[in-house]
Amino acid sequence: SQKIEQNSEALNIQEGKTATLTCNYTNYSPAYLQWYRQDPGRGPVFLLLIRENEKEKRKERLKVTFDTTLKQSLFHITASQPADSATYLCALGRSGTYKYIFGTGTRLKVLA
Amino acid sequence: GAGVSQSPSNKVTEKGKDVELRCDPISGHTALYWYRQSLGQGLEFLIYFQGNSAPDKSGLPSDRFSAERTGGSVSTLTIQRTQQEDSAVYLCASQGLGDNEQFFGPGTRLTVL
Repeated sequence: SQKIEQNSEALNIQEGKTATLTCNYTNYSPAYLQWYRQDPGRGPVFLLLIRENEKEKRKERLKVTFDTTLKQSLFHITASQPADSATYLCALGRSGTYKYIFGTGTRLKVLA
Repeated sequence: GAGVSQSPSNKVTEKGKDVELRCDPISGHTALYWYRQSLGQGLEFLIYFQGNSAPDKSGLPSDRFSAERTGGSVSTLTIQRTQQEDSAVYLCASQGLGDNEQFFGPGTRLTVL
């Protein structure tokens, strides 16, 4: 069955360092992968989308990579700040279908 | 403009009661999703509406769950005869035609005692 794995352990890093979160998937061939941020008591907020033919995408301090051979996406936040503390979700989608598969999310805490 | 809104933000009910959860999507968005998020779990797809097409109800966990979308806008998710395992956060998201980005509401936290 289709499966997405994100590190269920919380990630604690020091302010100013680069945070790296991982999203692995099996039994699925996504056309694109999305990353969302979710704060406590709120709905997820879209951050970035990367397509299967793209290796890397950047937006300000965010960088996403997508390796369809390894079936993995890495999400990086450079120069991390305490305000980056949140849960980050990855989601997979296919062309021609409206259904997304979401991971369980990784909780990031940036320590001042 | 305004984002996706959901009401109520919190709902506590007794086992066996019916509940209605409401979602107001972003104006002009043709697609609307309902998801359920339980503690430590990913978002579980429940139902999808797109324009005037028949909804995809394949994610509804039982026949106690139903949803409507009136006039292509507001949607209501109804859970009949609630059970304790229905306790979760119910999230609604809308999406523009041809977009891949979903806009989520703040969710309704449902607690069934």
